[in-house]
Amino acid sequence: GAVVSQHPSWVICKSGTSVKIECRSLDFQATTMFWYRQFPKQSLMLMATSNEGSKATYEQGVEKDKFLINHASLTLSTLTVTSAHPEDSSFYICSADLTSTDTQYFGPGTRLTVL
Amino acid sequence: SQKIEQNSEALNIQEGKTATLTCNYTNYSPAYLQWYRQDPGRGPVFLLLIRENEKEKRKERLKVTFDTTLKQSLFHITASQPADSATYLCALGDSSYKLIFGSGTRLLVRP
Repeated sequence: GAVVSQHPSWVICKSGTSVKIECRSLDFQATTMFWYRQFPKQSLMLMATSNEGSKATYEQGVEKDKFLINHASLTLSTLTVTSAHPEDSSFYICSADLTSTDTQYFGPGTRLTVL
Repeated sequence: SQKIEQNSEALNIQEGKTATLTCNYTNYSPAYLQWYRQDPGRGPVFLLLIRENEKEKRKERLKVTFDTTLKQSLFHITASQPADSATYLCALGDSSYKLIFGSGTRLLVRP
């Protein structure tokens, strides 16, 4: 149980284009989902907290107009990287909070490469 | 600001030995601490959660201790196997449900 999927697993795009990443909780409902970014050999950095039916809460230094988050249902959150640039190339990972367990279950991650 | 430190150097041990990984933190009073395993190019996998009022937690070959006075957690893998080779992350959490991650320690278990 508590499986989280992400799609796509990797994407290569040209600078200036937008990329959408999907995060789904497959066998449970997630009121809250989280989006992280991880650069090579570095820690996971929380970008934003996504709550179903409301606006996402962004961490300091994360541009909300660049990283658009939509949490339209209890099983799906999407992250759209708008006008991507090479410095946005990273490993993006989502997680879903299993209510009342204080445990987050992570997706397999999406490798974004911006040329 | 909050800081979590994990040994950035890889831990290299012989199969069958006990691996011990350390997580130290400052400027934070977490309600709980978690350990995750991360394989290259993959998302973290949850292993254990220990709360601030707990001293020790075990799960099969895994053992976690949590000392809120020392602000330290130790993560032990007994009878280690080559399949245990991965990066292990510690993460601190509180009532906000946010997790703050350490940068991880890479474990290599030699056959």
